[in-house]
Amino acid sequence: QVQLVQSGAELGKPGASVKVSCQASGYTFTGYYLHWVRQAPGQGLEWVGWINPNGGVTKYAQKFEGSVTMTRDTSNNTAYLELSSLRSDDTAVYFCARGPNHYFYMDVWGKGTTVTVSS
Amino acid sequence: SYELTQPPSLSVSPGQKASITCSGDRLGTKDVCWYQHKPGQSPVLVIYGDFKRPSGIPERFSGSNSGNTATLTISGTQPMDEADYYCQSWDSNYAYVFGTGTKVTVL
Repeated sequence: QVQLVQSGAELGKPGASVKVSCQASGYTFTGYYLHWVRQAPGQGLEWVGWINPNGGVTKYAQKFEGSVTMTRDTSNNTAYLELSSLRSDDTAVYFCARGPNHYFYMDVWGKGTTVTVSS
Repeated sequence: SYELTQPPSLSVSPGQKASITCSGDRLGTKDVCWYQHKPGQSPVLVIYGDFKRPSGIPERFSGSNSGNTATLTISGTQPMDEADYYCQSWDSNYAYVFGTGTKVTVL
């Protein structure tokens, strides 16, 4: 079945970087966008950006330009989200989600990865 | 930046209808989808393309979108429907935007 499996919880220090992964299975990885969405404690859902695994084109929410990098490895159907210059308000659960190309919704979600920023 | 506004909370009795609104400038000209999100779980898509239901989503979930307001309706609300609900659309730069979220309590 269609599945997105995310990496385990991460702990990062302020100013450092962390990298979260999302491995897809059960569908053609390059046929769908891969989105990242976060939810900070007590807050709502917030779109971070997407990567098109077919070619690697990315689009980030303006708020995250310069602080996140999305990449992919098509040889193992995995997408990555790197968070750099970590701040305490980056503490959140980060979800990856599949999105049909040219349609504005996300139909399959990973279970989420908790990123905690603390010294 | 484009904003989507939802009521923070909504209470509904079991078996009654719940209507959750999502307001944004000229929202009726854009596609809207809705997600159900329960604590500790992943969000679930319940409506896409304004009114379409993904496979496996009960018929009691329906959607509409016109003018500046999209609405998610849960007919015959069940205790299992208690969750946070988020609308989502896109802005002029094709960036995705989530609504502020509505906590639905069934009591």
